[in-house]
Amino acid sequence: AQKVTQAQTEISVVEKEDVTLDCVYETRDTTYYLFWYKQPPSGELVFLIRRNSFDEQNEISGRYSWNFQKSTSSFNFTITASQVVDSAVYFCALSSISNFGNEKLTFGTGTRLTIIP
Amino acid sequence: DTGVSQDPRHKITKRGQNVTFRCDPISEHNRLYWYRQTLGQGPEFLTYFQNEAQLEKSRLLSDRFSAERPKGSFSTLEIQRTEQGDSAMYLCASRTRGNTEAFFGQGTRLTVV
Repeated sequence: AQKVTQAQTEISVVEKEDVTLDCVYETRDTTYYLFWYKQPPSGELVFLIRRNSFDEQNEISGRYSWNFQKSTSSFNFTITASQVVDSAVYFCALSSISNFGNEKLTFGTGTRLTIIP
Repeated sequence: DTGVSQDPRHKITKRGQNVTFRCDPISEHNRLYWYRQTLGQGPEFLTYFQNEAQLEKSRLLSDRFSAERPKGSFSTLEIQRTEQGDSAMYLCASRTRGNTEAFFGQGTRLTVV
């Protein structure tokens, strides 16, 4: 069975501080994908990044960066110089190819990030 | 609007009533998913369609739930004899074949009173 753990339920930081959201996953599959989604109050899940299990290179996109470490089964997400617009619930998710090409996602419980102006 | 759209956005119903939700995926996406999200939790997979075929259902999808995608385009999710435990956000997502991400709609928030 697949499992994603986001131990941080809520985080509050002052604007312009850096913040890291932790994600630890469990899977028996050798090929899998990891994701981060952002859920603002409107409810829509906004895709941030997709990573496959063979690519352990860290990635940076503007103020966002991701650290994938297979040895510790972690896929952490850092926001640099946080802004009020970053306030949202962030979900880490895991998928693998099951029957019929179904890349269903297994989500963590989310981390609610509040940026204080 | 080229995103995934869901209708209605909010639904309040009395226990025991039937409800139906609609999802219109991105037009070229042949794969469609339904997820359920309860308060304070992450979304949980309910069911998966590839074109018009429903290929996988979660154990969460009791016999009161039925989903269809009759022409491989829009999908409906019906809940019969609603219970208070059905109160949740129902999210639809779609994607193309191959290594692509899923795009989510804004969801339908169901409240059973």
